[in-house]
Amino acid sequence: GAGVSQTPSNKVTEKGKYVELRCDPISGHTALYWYRQSLGQGPEFLIYFQGTGAADDSGLPNDRFFAVRPEGSVSTLKIQRTERGDSAVYLCASSLGGMNTEAFFGQGTRLTVV
Amino acid sequence: QKEVEQDPGPLSVPEGAIVSLNCTYSNSAFQYFMWYRQYSRKGPELLMYTYSSGNKEDGRFTAQVDKSSKYISLFIRDSQPSDSATYLCAMSQTSGSRLTFGEGTQLTVNP
Repeated sequence: GAGVSQTPSNKVTEKGKYVELRCDPISGHTALYWYRQSLGQGPEFLIYFQGTGAADDSGLPNDRFFAVRPEGSVSTLKIQRTERGDSAVYLCASSLGGMNTEAFFGQGTRLTVV
Repeated sequence: QKEVEQDPGPLSVPEGAIVSLNCTYSNSAFQYFMWYRQYSRKGPELLMYTYSSGNKEDGRFTAQVDKSSKYISLFIRDSQPSDSATYLCAMSQTSGSRLTFGEGTQLTVNP
């Protein structure tokens, strides 16, 4: 596809369950970012990958949150023991990396924890 | 105090008006400044990108950065109903690093 693809588009889960959110970046983009957006707020940074490695994971709120990008393309954000406060839209973005800062965002995954 | 402050609005203007959107920030290390537009239930899309202080124009959009005042602006000329969206300012310290966003300003342009 031409853009950043995120699946699922919507996810409803019960409190305490484990969820995985997937991001397919634009082909050839080496940088990948995860953000979280609560209702009425701007996106909040979670983690940034350059290639396969996490270049900056300082935005992950606690150890229930983890993200991987094993082959430097697709990334998965994993949330353990979900809490109602985790409900938000999780956005993924990718860019060419290096000096190019134009980040292209996906449509997001709307996570609802009930 | 948030690193980036943005008036959430809502802002409602008639079609054809000039719209002014603003953000202030506290971290003097920010060097890259962006404006994103976000339609309801969509991801943000990049409108304007500026490095350091100065102006940049693209069609009906003009972005201004004043690093001495830690203040950035986006002007929309001849606003259209299709401009109705939430506008997010964002900034980063280095090229490609994490973005820090404002809260977003919700804009409605009335026909």
